[in-house]
Amino acid sequence: KAGVTQTPRYLIKTRGQQVTLSCSPISGHRSVSWYQQTPGQGLQFLFEYFSETQRNKGNFPGRFSGRQFSNSRSEMNVSTLELGDSALYLCASSRGDSGPEAFFGQGTRLTVV
Amino acid sequence: AQSVTQPDIHITVSEGASLELRCNYSYGATPYLFWYVQSPGQGLQLLLKYFSGDTLVQGIKGFEAEFKRSQSSFNLRKPSVHWSDAAEYFCAVNFGNEKLTFGTGTRLTIIP
Repeated sequence: KAGVTQTPRYLIKTRGQQVTLSCSPISGHRSVSWYQQTPGQGLQFLFEYFSETQRNKGNFPGRFSGRQFSNSRSEMNVSTLELGDSALYLCASSRGDSGPEAFFGQGTRLTVV
Repeated sequence: AQSVTQPDIHITVSEGASLELRCNYSYGATPYLFWYVQSPGQGLQLLLKYFSGDTLVQGIKGFEAEFKRSQSSFNLRKPSVHWSDAAEYFCAVNFGNEKLTFGTGTRLTIIP
């Protein structure tokens, strides 16, 4: 069974631009969560989608948004990028209906210059 | 407030020595508990989990963890570490709201 796939692995963007990251969950998993990892703040929860609906949201500004498609693939978008958005963005996949066991992708390393 | 604490930022052990990484949480009920490992530049790999039942759980790579309700702890152990165990270890807790709250991580260094 294939694992969680995140694309791209690396991105370099300029301040003020926007970026879209993609996550394909494990087959059969309906929940996708996004996390931001930085040296200063550690791992922080962004949001969770289940069956195309946002079910949970963390404490991030509205510049951070996401969506989920009918095949459970998810995208997250960050608009008006700031230097502080530089981070490793991790996607986690779980069944979502029973058992909160989450499996993570390799992450997308975003650098904002 | 719900929180997860990993009191050790960095631990150094000799290859072949035993290891214990500490994790405490603050919550009124028993949450779902996890340990993840992260190598540099990589994602998180699930080592083991505790949902209910036997309080000593076995995971991959020879790791085990023990849940102690009275101490709100879920410490990770390994009897004999290998150089390949050098990585960062994260304790994570699901407080029943479909999201993981992570500790700050413990960086493990192995010396020959």
